Amino acid sequence: DADVTQTPRNRITKTGKRIMLECSQTKGHDRMYWYRQDPGLGLRLIYYSFDVKDINKGEISDGYSVSRQAQAKFSLSLESAIPNQTALYFCATSGVAYNEQFFGPGTRLTVL
Amino acid sequence: AQSVTQLGSHVSVSEGALVLLRCNYSSSVPPYLFWYVQYPNQGLQLLLKYTTGATLVKGINGFEAEFKKSETSFHLTKPSAHMSDAAEYFCAVRNTGNQFYFGTGTSLTVIP
Repeated sequence: DADVTQTPRNRITKTGKRIMLECSQTKGHDRMYWYRQDPGLGLRLIYYSFDVKDINKGEISDGYSVSRQAQAKFSLSLESAIPNQTALYFCATSGVAYNEQFFGPGTRLTVL
Repeated sequence: AQSVTQLGSHVSVSEGALVLLRCNYSSSVPPYLFWYVQYPNQGLQLLLKYTTGATLVKGINGFEAEFKKSETSFHLTKPSAHMSDAAEYFCAVRNTGNQFYFGTGTSLTVIP
């Protein structure tokens, strides 16, 4: 079973719609992250959370919001989707005992 | 602020040839450094990491990287490329605040 799961894996939506992407992990990690990947731009950090009560903006948080419902769940919302939010979105986790991040399989979001 | 530069967004090598993917970083403190690989339609998985200690780090699938502080580099190498190495490779640095910064990626093509 995957340690970091993301739902949905693919989503097509229309401009102006509200979208939620969900991330769950069974690794017991405190730290969770949301990134978006665009061709030629690598991964850019949207939001990160070091525990349930700690939420921080990343470098490209405008147009996004997050919710850390529990240690294991971290959701990303697009309140009013726009076409330039079309991208591949990744959730990642890291723990105190590990230096690296562990990634989910990604959600491919298309905004028409 | 941290930054990561990957020279060459696309690299092509012949099967059996040396693979060299370049990564330079900027950091005001000793960094933690990582290489991740992304196969098509998958998330990122860790190839190798440098935290402390030996500067030559060995990873999975025959890859290795050397941390050179004087050159602020962490280049990835593999002596003999295999067709299965074709993928996107990302260099990343982690700062003391547990934020990760990624390069823009290098797409490796292996020519039969």
